[in-house]
Amino acid sequence: GAVVSQHPSWVICKSGTSVKIECRSLDFQATTMFWYRQFPKQSLMLMATSNEGSKATYEQGVEKDKFLINHASLTLSTLTVTSAHPEDSSFYICSARLAGYSYEQYFGPGTRLTVT
Amino acid sequence: KQEVTQIPAALSVPEGENLVLNCSFTDSAIYNLQWFRQDPGKGLTSLLLIQSSQREQTSGRLNASLDKSSGRSTLYIAASQPGDSATYLCAKGEDNQGGKLIFGQGTELSVKP
Repeated sequence: GAVVSQHPSWVICKSGTSVKIECRSLDFQATTMFWYRQFPKQSLMLMATSNEGSKATYEQGVEKDKFLINHASLTLSTLTVTSAHPEDSSFYICSARLAGYSYEQYFGPGTRLTVT
Repeated sequence: KQEVTQIPAALSVPEGENLVLNCSFTDSAIYNLQWFRQDPGKGLTSLLLIQSSQREQTSGRLNASLDKSSGRSTLYIAASQPGDSATYLCAKGEDNQGGKLIFGQGTELSVKP
């Protein structure tokens, strides 16, 4: 149980275009989802916390107008990278927290974004 | 400022060896400490979670300890196997809502057959 999926697993896009990444909790309801970014050989950095039905909370230094997060249901959160640039190329990972459970986060397999 | 630090950055050991991975954190405000495994190009698999009130957790060949006073956690892997080769990440939980995790840079482990 507690499986989180991401789609797509990898995407290549041209500079200036927008890309949407989906994060789904497959067999549980997630009131909170988290979006992380990981550059090569570096650790995961939290970008934002997404709560179902409310606006996302962004970490310092993360542009909320560039990284649009929508958490429309208890099983789906989306991250849209708007007007992508090569420096946005990274590995984006989401995680979901079981509703009612305080500590466990379950991570998705990640999405590799390459902006050319 | 790096709040969570992992040493070493990379480690190569022969199969069968016992090994210890280290994680240190600078802020004593910690609610839990988690260890994850990440295979190349993949997401994270949770290995062990230690609540701030606990000192250690065990799962199979893995044992993780937490010393809040010294700001350190260790992951002990017994009888290492080639399948253990991966990057191991520790993460400090900063709030009691299970929210913000601060990750270390990871230790890349290679177990040679």
